[in-house]
Amino acid sequence: QVQLVQSGAEMKTPGASVKVSCKASGFTFTSYWMHWVRQAPGQGLEWMGIINPSGIDTTYAQKFQGRVTMTRDTSTSTVYMELSSLRSEDTAVYYCARDNSNSKSWWFDPWGQGTLVTVSS
Amino acid sequence: QSALTQPASVSGSPGQSITISCTGSSSDVGSDKLVSWYQQHPGKVPKLVIYEGSKRPSGVSNRFSGSKSGNTASLTISGLQAEDEADYYCCSYAGSRTWVFGGGTKLTVL
Repeated sequence: QVQLVQSGAEMKTPGASVKVSCKASGFTFTSYWMHWVRQAPGQGLEWMGIINPSGIDTTYAQKFQGRVTMTRDTSTSTVYMELSSLRSEDTAVYYCARDNSNSKSWWFDPWGQGTLVTVSS
Repeated sequence: QSALTQPASVSGSPGQSITISCTGSSSDVGSDKLVSWYQQHPGKVPKLVIYEGSKRPSGVSNRFSGSKSGNTASLTISGLQAEDEADYYCCSYAGSRTWVFGGGTKLTVL
């Protein structure tokens, strides 16, 4: 079945970087763009960015530009999200999600199970 | 890009109908691109319940429906059931290959 499986929880100190992975299965990985979305504790969903099928093209939310890098490895059907210069406010669950679209709309489905990143000294 | 505006909470009794609004601008919700809606139970992964403004994925109850008027999209849940109690988020394309979510609405089934 169509599935996205993310890497495990991470605990980082302020100023460090974290790299979260998202392995896809059950669909043609090279045909889909992929999104990253995060959710801080008790807060809403926040779109972070998108990466194209080949991994060459990315767009990041302005808030994260300069700190986030999204990459993908087509040989392993895995996308990665690296966030640098971590601060306590980056403590959140990070989700990958597959992009789906037609001429009228875009939607995110499926989602990975989420990766909790905790930033604390 | 500011989050789309949703009511913080809505409530209804079993069997009733509720509507959650999602207000944006002409650049996002009011554009020619239609929104999607997600349901999230506590501690769980968001689940797509409406795409293309009003379409339901396979497996989603026909009690869920979506619509749009101007810069506001709406999610209506009819025949409320206890299992519908969750957080709901709208999401819209915001131009320049960026997306924006609503702030989320907590639905309580009384």
